[in-house]
Amino acid sequence: EIVLTQSPGTLSLSPGERATLSCRASQSVSSSYLAWYQQKPGQAPRLLIYGASSRATGIPDRFSGSGSGTDFTLTISRLEPEDFAVYYCQQYGSSPTFGQGTKVEIK
Amino acid sequence: EVQLVESGGGLVQPGRSLRLSCTASGFTFGDYAMSWVRQAPGKGLEWVGFIRSKAYGGTTEYAASVKGRFTISRDDSKSIAYLQMNSLKTEDTAVYYCTRGRYYYDSWGQGTMVTVSS
Repeated sequence: EIVLTQSPGTLSLSPGERATLSCRASQSVSSSYLAWYQQKPGQAPRLLIYGASSRATGIPDRFSGSGSGTDFTLTISRLEPEDFAVYYCQQYGSSPTFGQGTKVEIK
Repeated sequence: EVQLVESGGGLVQPGRSLRLSCTASGFTFGDYAMSWVRQAPGKGLEWVGFIRSKAYGGTTEYAASVKGRFTISRDDSKSIAYLQMNSLKTEDTAVYYCTRGRYYYDSWGQGTMVTVSS
């Protein structure tokens, strides 16, 4: 099983700032089969990024994904008030697994 | 608009069974694999399993934690996916989400809560 480790656990930032979230895999993720999701309290997760860098339908371009192999990054270029949430990475190169999540909170 | 609506959750005793349903609308259900993902209270996301579309054999795959106890099936004529959960354990307590897709999940239901407790 591929273990995904997200860092940091919590990111405290102000609106307008840049957020950089990391996701590290215990072994290489084949074909960049890496996705990112956003989850707000009491809501289901929402797909943001798939294939490591492709934005899902309707996702603003302030969200971008990058990386390959074992190291992946989700960047939010300028935080909007609605972006404060928990973010999960997920690999689907083998039996799917999720990271433990990064909470982006208002500083 | 794609919609996924789960139902069937509730309180159940350890060792008993429960069947969840996921009713889909807004897309051609039979063309898609469907997956189940769960989230224990205050915890992260855990993949449960998926069922391929009939075009890919309609076969299933499961997480090790539920293999042999849970079964996913589908009725394409009704646009419904099912999750049959047997021999439930307290650690199966979670919100269960129905999702569209095999690899990544581009649509999610609102989730249904399953509580396993005596």
